[in-house]
Amino acid sequence: EVQLVESGGGLVQPGGSLRLSCAASGFTFSSYGMSWVRQAPGKGLEWVSTISGSDGSTYYADSVRGRFTISKDSSKNTLYLQMNSLRAEDSAVYYCAKKLSRTGYAPLDYWGQGTLVTVSS
Amino acid sequence: EIVLTQSPGTLSLSPGERATLSCRASQSVSSSYLAWYQQKPGQAPRLLINGASSRATGIPDRFSGSGSGTDFTLTISRLEPEDFAVYYCQQYTSPPRFGPGTKVDIK
Repeated sequence: EVQLVESGGGLVQPGGSLRLSCAASGFTFSSYGMSWVRQAPGKGLEWVSTISGSDGSTYYADSVRGRFTISKDSSKNTLYLQMNSLRAEDSAVYYCAKKLSRTGYAPLDYWGQGTLVTVSS
Repeated sequence: EIVLTQSPGTLSLSPGERATLSCRASQSVSSSYLAWYQQKPGQAPRLLINGASSRATGIPDRFSGSGSGTDFTLTISRLEPEDFAVYYCQQYTSPPRFGPGTKVDIK
């Protein structure tokens, strides 16, 4: 059974940093692309970042490029999102999600339960 | 960059009725890289449809997707009580984008 469990959310001041983790199990983590998607309170879904399963290439939304870094440790089956220079508008529930297929464009077939990030002074 | 719009914003229907949700793209979505997700309050999204018309694993056949190019539709043939939720379309080329969602609520 595929499981994704996020952690690391919390309250942080504007300009601060936070690292989110997503522990994965039930599938060959190293083979699949993984993404972070966020959802501000009462709002819709916003794609944040993706890391490719095949070659580790990384992709970012314009809103976070240069501030956020996605990475993974396949030996620990864990996905990360390092978030720096945080802004109030980064406040959201952050979901990690697995891509449906190993290669190419694919939707997200498994999601974690999410971790809440609040950026406020 | 492809932008998605969804209509209507809210759909008020009764159990047993048919729901038709629309997703329109600002430019053609190549190879029908279009997905639909369902999200209930306090829960993560769930993948319903990928490739515009293929049901994901375990999704009941009352859910169907259709369309190509710039116009896509999610149809729920007969609404069950558990189907009242928010539905998002997503194009998953690069960069992936979600539509703003359609809320299906009980009339």
